[in-house]
Amino acid sequence: AQTVTQSQPEMSVQEAETVTLSCTYDTSESDYYLFWYKQPPSRQMILVIRQEAYKQQNATENRFSVNFQKAAKSFSLKISDSQLGDAAMYFCAYRSVDQAGTALIFGKGTTLSVSS
Amino acid sequence: GAVVSQHPSRVICKSGTSVKIECRSLDFQATTMFWYRQFPKQSLMLMATSNEGSKATYEQGVEKDKFLINHASLTLSTLTVTSAHPEDSSFYICSALKLTVYGYTFGSGTRLTVV
Repeated sequence: AQTVTQSQPEMSVQEAETVTLSCTYDTSESDYYLFWYKQPPSRQMILVIRQEAYKQQNATENRFSVNFQKAAKSFSLKISDSQLGDAAMYFCAYRSVDQAGTALIFGKGTTLSVSS
Repeated sequence: GAVVSQHPSRVICKSGTSVKIECRSLDFQATTMFWYRQFPKQSLMLMATSNEGSKATYEQGVEKDKFLINHASLTLSTLTVTSAHPEDSSFYICSALKLTVYGYTFGSGTRLTVV
């Protein structure tokens, strides 16, 4: 079975600084998708970024980028130029390709606080 | 886009009563929907997977007689918490799968309080 591990329960960053959230996963599959979701205080789950395992190029979305290391099974999220609105709980998630109708597998989450 | 509407956003019910939570995909057909439960500052815990027209598949430890899931159409899934008790108080989130894209769309969640 696949597992997702986020080893940082809490992280903090100052405005305009850069922060990296860690995520590792375990799988025997060769093809899969990885996601980072943000859950602000409103508790609405918001997709931040996604990565297809067959793509070597790291995904980027504006200030958000990932460092995808397939061999190491690592998928970290870098937030550049942090803003107060980035304060939220962040979840790393895994989805199988072969089992297309299955639910996302979530890590335990990292709570990010941003100070001015 | 892909929008999922979840209602109600908040509900308070008395112990022993039942409450229904609706999850609708507004602009796409969702053959599969997922129901999660989330405790404060914790991750989402998958309760069940519902497929349109068939019985839901429940995760181990989830009481299927207490948490009734119905997915009667391609755009609507409902979760009914039967004979609710204070320990059922939680945040419930639905998610719909759109197979044409690999993302999952989440509803805005329902905060259930049983008094």
